[in-house]
Amino acid sequence: QQQVKQSPQSLIVQKGGISIINCAYENTAFDYFPWYQQFPGKGPALLIAIRPDVSEKKEGRFTISFNKSAKQFSLHIMDSQPGDSATYFCARGGSARQLTFGSGTQLTVLP
Amino acid sequence: GAVVSQHPSWVICKSGTSVKIECRSLDFQATTMFWYRQFPKQSLMLMATSNEGSKATYEQGVEKDKFLINHASLTLSTLTVTSAHPEDSSFYICSAELRSYGYTFGSGTRLTVV
Repeated sequence: QQQVKQSPQSLIVQKGGISIINCAYENTAFDYFPWYQQFPGKGPALLIAIRPDVSEKKEGRFTISFNKSAKQFSLHIMDSQPGDSATYFCARGGSARQLTFGSGTQLTVLP
Repeated sequence: GAVVSQHPSWVICKSGTSVKIECRSLDFQATTMFWYRQFPKQSLMLMATSNEGSKATYEQGVEKDKFLINHASLTLSTLTVTSAHPEDSSFYICSAELRSYGYTFGSGTRLTVV
């Protein structure tokens, strides 16, 4: 499977701070870039997704920034809250219609 | 909308037995479903893609005779772990592709083989 490189592996942020997670991909034959949030013992839940024809998408406190030329996309969580503490995965979907996930980022938001 | 129900949420079985995991799309028809495996603190790894009415496509390294996938209807896909061994203990998650180009995931099944 084509890889999606995700960083950092873990992130600790103070309440109210901004959490930033980055992902990079190799192959350009993808047109769907989602971010998922996963709590322990649960399946991943879609947070927000973007297509490469836009550079940014915002939904509430969550923003995806997409840099097509650099083959990178990032998730910004504004005003981070303790309830945001979870594992976040970026992914990419392409012509094969299957998702490939990044390695995950464990976010801890301190109260 | 677009809910995928996965059962059971957890199962403990003896080594050598078989376990079936069900994944149902509750309010939509899922032509394509995906099965993932996730070890603790690791990412989701695609095991296989199942298409309704046809044989599943397995990823490299996944034993098709051990992980039997059946997608007999547009609302149900099953994963059967045959002759389970402790190394098969993992978190199994199904996913369905949505018509509007997206994916929804089940809540996962924690399999423990003792």
